[in-house]
Amino acid sequence: EIVMTQSPASLSVSPGERATLSCRASQSLGSNLAWYQQKPGQAPRLLIYGASTRATGIPARFSGSGSGTEFTLTISSLQSEDFAVYYCQQYNNWPPGFTFGPGTQVDIK
Amino acid sequence: EVQLVESGGGLVQPGGSLRLSCAASGFSFSSYWMSWVRQAPGTGLEWVANIKVDGREQYYVDSVKGRFTISRDNAKNSVYLQMNSLRAEDTAVYYCARDLVVRGVITSFDCWGQGTLVTVSA
Repeated sequence: EIVMTQSPASLSVSPGERATLSCRASQSLGSNLAWYQQKPGQAPRLLIYGASTRATGIPARFSGSGSGTEFTLTISSLQSEDFAVYYCQQYNNWPPGFTFGPGTQVDIK
Repeated sequence: EVQLVESGGGLVQPGGSLRLSCAASGFSFSSYWMSWVRQAPGTGLEWVANIKVDGREQYYVDSVKGRFTISRDNAKNSVYLQMNSLRAEDTAVYYCARDLVVRGVITSFDCWGQGTLVTVSA
């Protein structure tokens, strides 16, 4: 079973600043990693797949990097609408399944 | 506009059953794998199951194998989740999601419904 961890658990950032979120896998994923954003009371929204490919309609301030076991989501200049929880998700061992990380909460500083 | 609308959630006693439905619109439903993903209150996301375009393959997370069944009706643009032998730990918001396939690999979930709450409690 692949275990996903994310750090930090929470992050306080001022609008306009850069946010860097980390995701680590217990075994190598290659580039088989996705990122999501979830706001309170809403469904998750796909941001990134293939570790670095932005999904349709996702602004360029969101970028993903990394491979193997270490991945990063960077939000270059935080906007008010970016304060949310961010999850990573691996798809390297499907079938049988997909695994999400525990999430990073990004709050307003 | 792509839309997924779940229904069928509610309160059920432990050991009971519930059937969730997800109605899709705005895209060619029969061309997409579909998944159910759940989120227990105040916690993270857990993929539950998915089903191939023609319904002939299904995959499940270990914790629901033998209890949950995913199915689809392409004529009705709908996917279902039959949940039997429900436990307190199945309490969650259940989301219907469309699988994103890139070069033959399911990578992620690119469209989500608003979710339906399932509460398992006596």
